[in-house]
Amino acid sequence: DIVMTQSPDSLAVSLGERATINCKSSQSVLYSSNNKNYLAWYQHKPGQPPKLLIYWASTRQSGVPDRFSGSGSGTEFTLTISSLQAEDVAVYYCHQHYTTPPTFGQGTKVDIK
Amino acid sequence: EVQLVESGGGLVQPGGSLRLSCAASGFTFSRYWMTWVRQVPGKGLEWVANIKEDGSEEHYLDSVKGRFTISRDNAQKSLYLQMNSLRAEDTALYHCARNGAVVTAIPVDWGPGTLVTVSS
Repeated sequence: DIVMTQSPDSLAVSLGERATINCKSSQSVLYSSNNKNYLAWYQHKPGQPPKLLIYWASTRQSGVPDRFSGSGSGTEFTLTISSLQAEDVAVYYCHQHYTTPPTFGQGTKVDIK
Repeated sequence: EVQLVESGGGLVQPGGSLRLSCAASGFTFSRYWMTWVRQVPGKGLEWVANIKEDGSEEHYLDSVKGRFTISRDNAQKSLYLQMNSLRAEDTALYHCARNGAVVTAIPVDWGPGTLVTVSS
């Protein structure tokens, strides 16, 4: 199974500041035939189901604010929240679907400083 | 609006069985892969199983293979998860999810979940 490792486990950022979450996969999730990274990011708020933010590593899901962006390729990826808002407090997960079983990172908790 | 509502969770003894259901509405159910994902309380997300649009293909997490069966009834717009030989480590909130139309392998829309507790 591909192991997804996120860092840090938690971070606290001031409102309006940048938050950066890293995700590393134990093997590449880049599919060479279409040059796409099979990597997604989810936001999970307490009491709500997870919400898809980013797929193909950097494509924003419809309706997701543009302060959320994804980058990276191969085995190293980053989710950036450019200007943290109060409603962004949540746990964020990276998710690979390159192989079965699809796997999630352990999650990164984002709070307001 | 896409709606997914899970049911069937509850308290069951180790070795017991449960059948989870997921009622779908707001989209053409038969056109989408569907997935079950679970979350152990206070911990992370774990993919459990998924099933192709017409039910002709299924995939499972190794630890549930041979014990869990995913199925669907497209006429009833329903997804199911039959769980047998349940273990304490299967205790979790189980979400059903509709996969994407563009990226068919990833859950896009999720239900609120149904809680399964395996304990004596």
